[in-house]
Amino acid sequence: EDKVVQSPLSLVVHEGDTVTLNCSYEVTNFRSLLWYKQEKKAPTFLFMLTSSGIEKKSGRLSSILDKKELFSILNITATQTGDSAIYLCALPVLDKIIFGKGTRLHILP
Amino acid sequence: NAGVTQTPKFRILKIGQSMTLQCTQDMNHNYMYWYRQDPGMGLKLIYYSVGAGITDKGEVPNGYNVSRSTTEDFPLRLELAAPSQTSVYFCASSLSRDRGSPLHFGNGTRLTVT
Repeated sequence: EDKVVQSPLSLVVHEGDTVTLNCSYEVTNFRSLLWYKQEKKAPTFLFMLTSSGIEKKSGRLSSILDKKELFSILNITATQTGDSAIYLCALPVLDKIIFGKGTRLHILP
Repeated sequence: NAGVTQTPKFRILKIGQSMTLQCTQDMNHNYMYWYRQDPGMGLKLIYYSVGAGITDKGEVPNGYNVSRSTTEDFPLRLELAAPSQTSVYFCASSLSRDRGSPLHFGNGTRLTVT
């Protein structure tokens, strides 16, 4: 059965801390792994990863994929209160896109 | 560019009532999806479509129906609303399935069934 498992499900840290969010997966015919950030409304796209070992970076956020061990991590350095959100990991499976349960991140000022 | 538009934004239904959640996109995307998101949870796929005239079940299709008569529109129908269908519903579209092109989401419909 195809599945996407994120951990931790919830995380509370102080502003300025660095966090690492995890996404492990088991899917047939891997094509890519997607990260989304969801604040109050719809998820917004962060990264798409297709190759192992190549870091994608956007400001304080970065992500990397390990296709051998079947996981990805999303790092956020020097966190700010605006980083508080649900972070979702998703993978295409045939014609569908399936999501993990998400990590709810709360940044304390 | 409107992207993906969902209506209504909010709705309260009584048990047993029916309604249609509307979704339209103006990006000429073939792939469209309906997800539901329960409080504190991720997104669960209800139905999806790979093109006009073609629909298929996702992870949680029971209690719902869809149609895709045009590329632009992908309405979701609830026939006999139940409290378990209280959720936030997101419609999304993507250009293709190759390498999982990113999803474009609507702003969601918050549905309460009492």
